[in-house]
Amino acid sequence: AQSVAQPEDQVNVAEGNPLTVKCTYSVSGNPYLFWYVQYPNRGLQFLLKYITGDNLVKGSYGFEAEFNKSQTSFHLKKPSALVSDSALYFCAVRGPTSGTYKYIFGTGTRLKVLA
Amino acid sequence: SQTIHQWPATLVQPVGSPLSLECTVEGTSNPNLYWYRQAAGRGLQLLFYSVGIGQISSEVPQNLSASRPQDRQFILSSKKLLLSDSGFYLCAWSGGNSNQPQHFGDGTRLSIL
Repeated sequence: AQSVAQPEDQVNVAEGNPLTVKCTYSVSGNPYLFWYVQYPNRGLQFLLKYITGDNLVKGSYGFEAEFNKSQTSFHLKKPSALVSDSALYFCAVRGPTSGTYKYIFGTGTRLKVLA
Repeated sequence: SQTIHQWPATLVQPVGSPLSLECTVEGTSNPNLYWYRQAAGRGLQLLFYSVGIGQISSEVPQNLSASRPQDRQFILSSKKLLLSDSGFYLCAWSGGNSNQPQHFGDGTRLSIL
């Protein structure tokens, strides 16, 4: 069965410091991996995805994510955090098998960037 | 470009009343459509998904139902709301390929009194 884990409920980081939000996954075959951000009372916004190829994926708002197949991880990173990055972040996976329409989401990590 | 609309943004309903939430997508055809519920600003619970008109898959047995009367319209309904139905309801769409992300509406905050 497919699953996604976000081991940290909350991550605190000082403004200007690098940030990492962790995600590990379990899926049969090669995964399709996604990161989303959610601001209060809004829907989820797509940040970036990994399908195949380069293990470092760049996305919106200066975010990037590193795919590590041996560690089955897909951690979200940003070199310099902004206070406006404070939000709820979700990792998701979708299996490559045709007919698999469901996306499996992690439980979310709340990022708090301190001024 | 594609857009997704969800309404209403907020809704306050008494226990036992009916419910109808609507979601429409523009700028694409034959999308996969999804309804999620999010409790207390945390994880997402998949309620229903649809891969075509009239095709509904239910993930969680409960007093909610979904319908897809048109290609880009997805409706979430209930005949009698329960207190436990309170939450943040999100509609989403995706393309047919597995490697495409979902795109979410801005949600409906439902409070049951």
